Amino acid sequence: ELKVEQNPLFLSMQEGKNYTIYCNYSTTSDRLYWYRQDPGKSLESLFVLLSNGAVKQEGRLMASLDTKARLSTLHITAAVHDLSATYFCAGTNNNNDMRFGAGTRLTVKP
Amino acid sequence: DTGVSQNPRHKITKRGQNVTFRCDPISEHNRLYWYRQTLGQGPEFLTYFQNEAQLEKSRLLSDRFSAERPKGSFSTLEIQRTEQGDSAMYLCASSAQGVSEAFFGQGTRLTVV
Repeated sequence: ELKVEQNPLFLSMQEGKNYTIYCNYSTTSDRLYWYRQDPGKSLESLFVLLSNGAVKQEGRLMASLDTKARLSTLHITAAVHDLSATYFCAGTNNNNDMRFGAGTRLTVKP
Repeated sequence: DTGVSQNPRHKITKRGQNVTFRCDPISEHNRLYWYRQTLGQGPEFLTYFQNEAQLEKSRLLSDRFSAERPKGSFSTLEIQRTEQGDSAMYLCASSAQGVSEAFFGQGTRLTVV
């Protein structure tokens, strides 16, 4: 069964700084997802990464996938307050169902 | 299409009662997922359907939990003899066949008193 680990679990950043969130997974996963969740809200899809070396960018967020290392990263560039949220990564298990990490709670401070 | 719809949004029930939640996926999405999320945790996988077939069910799920998707469209999740530990947000998601991402509903927040 797929296990997904994220670190850090909590991240406090200054506005304008860069940082990376890491997502390790235990077994082969066909694809890797990144989601954002605001307090009291549901999950919003950010990225789907399908193959080794895949890189996707949207605004100040960039996600990458290294299937050999079983590692995905979410890089934050020049953080702004609006990015404060909890970020989850998820992989796909044998039957294509998604398994999530515990999440990284990001706080961006002025 | 307005996305994944879940009903009710909130449910308060007494311990020992049965509850049922409904999820209407995005039309033409053949995959449907149920997750449970408690405060400060990631979504915990409960079960997964492809069309009407239940392909996976978490070992963590006790026999008090059952889910159906009778016609491959909407799904229901029933919890029998609720316990206080069942209090959580229950999330439903759907996706199309292939490599597309899953879209989540707003969830049903269950409080067992």
